[in-house]
Amino acid sequence: GAVVSQHPSRVICKSGTSVKIECRSLDFQATTMFWYRQFPKQSLMLMATSNEGSKATYEQGVEKDKFLINHASLTLSTLTVTSAHPEDSSFYICSAETGGSHNEQFFGPGTRLTVL
Amino acid sequence: AQKVTQAQTEISVVEKEDVTLDCVYETRDTTYYLFWYKQPPSGELVFLIRRNSFDEQNEISGRYSWNFQKSTSSFNFTITASQVVDSAVYFCALSEADSGGYQKVTFGTGTKLQVIP
Repeated sequence: GAVVSQHPSRVICKSGTSVKIECRSLDFQATTMFWYRQFPKQSLMLMATSNEGSKATYEQGVEKDKFLINHASLTLSTLTVTSAHPEDSSFYICSAETGGSHNEQFFGPGTRLTVL
Repeated sequence: AQKVTQAQTEISVVEKEDVTLDCVYETRDTTYYLFWYKQPPSGELVFLIRRNSFDEQNEISGRYSWNFQKSTSSFNFTITASQVVDSAVYFCALSEADSGGYQKVTFGTGTKLQVIP
């Protein structure tokens, strides 16, 4: 199947700093990518839909000014957690959609963010 | 609105026992996809199966089998002769296109499976 990577896999930062997480589709072009958040022992929650060349669509309750999403190319979407706080500590997972008649989503390995 | 229910929060079985993980979904669409993912302690999601709403055939892959019943909106997952390596959290998910044409995926709350040696 298709491969989606995320970088970094783990990040620890101080409260108040900003953290950028990259999501790349390695062997296919993804017009649409998705960002999910997973708190410990909970399910994945969709945060936003990232569209190449246009603004992201955020789910209800997700602050767009806090979670900046940029989908600058067909293989890269970035999520920037601005002014991170301890409550933002979570597991962030991206997925990329292959598009076409056999549209499928493939998930990245996730990024574990810890804000001290 | 779409919804996925995994009523079993945690299950413990002894190695070599069979175990079935339940998944019940709700959707108004006739075209949708159902998934099962495994999330081991490392955290990475492992894709297990994707089934479209028009294919009700049951599927078997090694020790894994899936029973899709549209009449009861269920997509249950059975592991035969469980092994310790099967210990993980298993998520059932439903995907359907929203009004904008995007595939929206809704995950169940997951079932934590512990296989005891």
